Amino acid sequence: AAGVIQSPRHLIKEKRETATLKCYPIPRHDTVYWYQQGPGQDPQFLISFYEKMQSDKGSIPDRFSAQQFSDYHSELNMSSLELGDSALYFCASSLVGLETQYFGPGTRLLVL
Amino acid sequence: GNSVTQMEGPVTLSEEAFLTINCTYTATGYPSLFWYVQYPGEGLQLLLKATKADDKGSNKGFEATYRKETTSFHLEKGSVQVSDSAVYFCALSLAGGGSNYKLTFGKGTLLTVNP
Repeated sequence: AAGVIQSPRHLIKEKRETATLKCYPIPRHDTVYWYQQGPGQDPQFLISFYEKMQSDKGSIPDRFSAQQFSDYHSELNMSSLELGDSALYFCASSLVGLETQYFGPGTRLLVL
Repeated sequence: GNSVTQMEGPVTLSEEAFLTINCTYTATGYPSLFWYVQYPGEGLQLLLKATKADDKGSNKGFEATYRKETTSFHLEKGSVQVSDSAVYFCALSLAGGGSNYKLTFGKGTLLTVNP
């Protein structure tokens, strides 16, 4: 069965650079969630989208923005990167109205 | 706010031992409860879930029962295997506006099973 696809899987950036993370949900899934997992930490909710509209927002820095496109894929844009942004970024997808989320493998971002 | 508390690890067991990982929650409403597992270097996989009181979720020999009276969702397995070594996260979700079911996770429990 098709799963959630995230790209790139690994990313190395310098401080103050920008990064774009992409998420392709399971086919027919219309809701996307983004989570950030710092080293040794639990995943923290960043933002979610349904039908290209932001549905909820968590602890996402103002330097980050995200959007969902008409094909339901989503992109997380991160600017002015800081060392503390180094983390594993997960995308999860679901069908609207259903609580079960399916996670992608994550993008590991390292900021030097 | 909503929160999940799980027993701190790490937990180290011998193969075929009994496993319990405690999880309790606080929620402003009636949440759904989940256990996710994260194998080394991998993403989060849904292990099991329960959506209402007294429901029992089960998968791969793991079980957890939704206890509303004690606000708990403890994970158990009767006989662990080396391949069960991973980090286990307890999580809850609550229906928000529209499609919002964001997950709130516990801190995770590292399980190591020795042969």
